[in-house]
Amino acid sequence: EAGVAQSPRYKIIEKRQSVAFWCNPISGHATLYWYQQILGQGPKLLIQFQNNGVVDDSQLPKDRFSAERLKGVDSTLKIQPAKLEDSAVYLCASSLGGLSVADTQYFGPGTRLTVL
Amino acid sequence: AQTVTQSQPEMSVQEAETVTLSCTYDTSESDYYLFWYKQPPSRQMILVIRQEAYKQQNATENRFSVNFQKAAKSFSLKISDSQLGDAAMYFCAYRGSNYKLTFGKGTLLTVNP
Repeated sequence: EAGVAQSPRYKIIEKRQSVAFWCNPISGHATLYWYQQILGQGPKLLIQFQNNGVVDDSQLPKDRFSAERLKGVDSTLKIQPAKLEDSAVYLCASSLGGLSVADTQYFGPGTRLTVL
Repeated sequence: AQTVTQSQPEMSVQEAETVTLSCTYDTSESDYYLFWYKQPPSRQMILVIRQEAYKQQNATENRFSVNFQKAAKSFSLKISDSQLGDAAMYFCAYRGSNYKLTFGKGTLLTVNP
């Protein structure tokens, strides 16, 4: 079974530029998550999708971050414009159901973003 | 809000020895899951083991086992017969009724040959 795919693996941009990340979840997984992991910390949830609807985006900085999940499969996360403090690893995860305490999340390899 | 605390920023162990990583959490809920994830330098978070709060029996996966103390809100991970490939950052995580995964800050495990 193929895992969660993400691209690119690395991205370096100047502040105020735009950047987009792509995620392809495990086939059949209804729920998709985007996390931000700042160096030395655990991942922090940015947004959660159930199929193509948003379940939770309470910690997404909506003035600069946006995300979409077209057709309930692939997802893109965009930052526009980027700030220095956005430098982090962006992790995508997926799970089979979502709205269950027992649901287990499986993570992709992440994208390391450096904002100069 | 739930919090997860990992009090050991770094740990080291000799190859073939046993090491225990600590995790405590704060919650008022009775139904929840606890997880240990491993993150090697490749950055991919890998699920190591999970424990349902209602189960009294401690979860075990090969060389990995947990010591779940519900009353004390403690969830430690024991790695037996440590191998070089076990070297990674280990994160403890909590999932409760809001379905969010809340992570601790992680423990960096070094395995010495």
